[in-house]
Amino acid sequence: SAVISQKPSRDICQRGTSLTIQCQVDSQVTMMFWYRQQPGQSLTLIATANQGSEATYESGFVIDKFPISRPNLTFSTLTVSNMSPEDSSIYLCSASRLAGIGNEQFFGPGTRLTVL
Amino acid sequence: AQKVTQAQTEISVVEKEDVTLDCVYETRDTTYYLFWYKQPPSGELVFLIRRNSFDEQNEISGRYSWNFQKSTSSFNFTITASQVVDSAVYFCALSEWEAQGTGANNLFFGTGTRLTVIP
Repeated sequence: SAVISQKPSRDICQRGTSLTIQCQVDSQVTMMFWYRQQPGQSLTLIATANQGSEATYESGFVIDKFPISRPNLTFSTLTVSNMSPEDSSIYLCSASRLAGIGNEQFFGPGTRLTVL
Repeated sequence: AQKVTQAQTEISVVEKEDVTLDCVYETRDTTYYLFWYKQPPSGELVFLIRRNSFDEQNEISGRYSWNFQKSTSSFNFTITASQVVDSAVYFCALSEWEAQGTGANNLFFGTGTRLTVIP
């Protein structure tokens, strides 16, 4: 397994500001992902964080709103830009040692974001 | 179209009762994987099990068991002799072969079932 930590664990932000969430894995992993979990709902994949290249975004998510970095095999950041109350969610980072279906993903504890 | 359906939004059981959480999935792929994750109140998702589409054997791990039936596209999860520590939201998820182009092991999650075990 992999141990994943996220910073911050929670934050309360003002409308129009941006927040960068950090995700650190305790060992090198091939794949890293960012998910959003809106209150009382399921997880939705935002993007796959690719090391050394631009992230791959899912339908409905764009780089200008959710810029992602992945400078190495153990670290990634997600920025939530120009926030609005609709961005209030839990943001989860996950990682998988190998690419391809069937490889289990390990999840971080999440960052609980509240936008006022 | 929704790919994973967990029809039970919330379930409450008394401690020591058995409980089954339902999961029905939809896919056109012949190669896929199914997962169950547990999300306790702390928020972190805990991996429970993975099953590939070619292995329909049921699996038992302690008090947990899983029943995979391709004929009904279901992957149900049973907790035997439930305990208060089992209280959590449980998610069923699907990973499809054809989704690799959008991000390798992309997981489609169901909406989750909140299980409350009453002491």
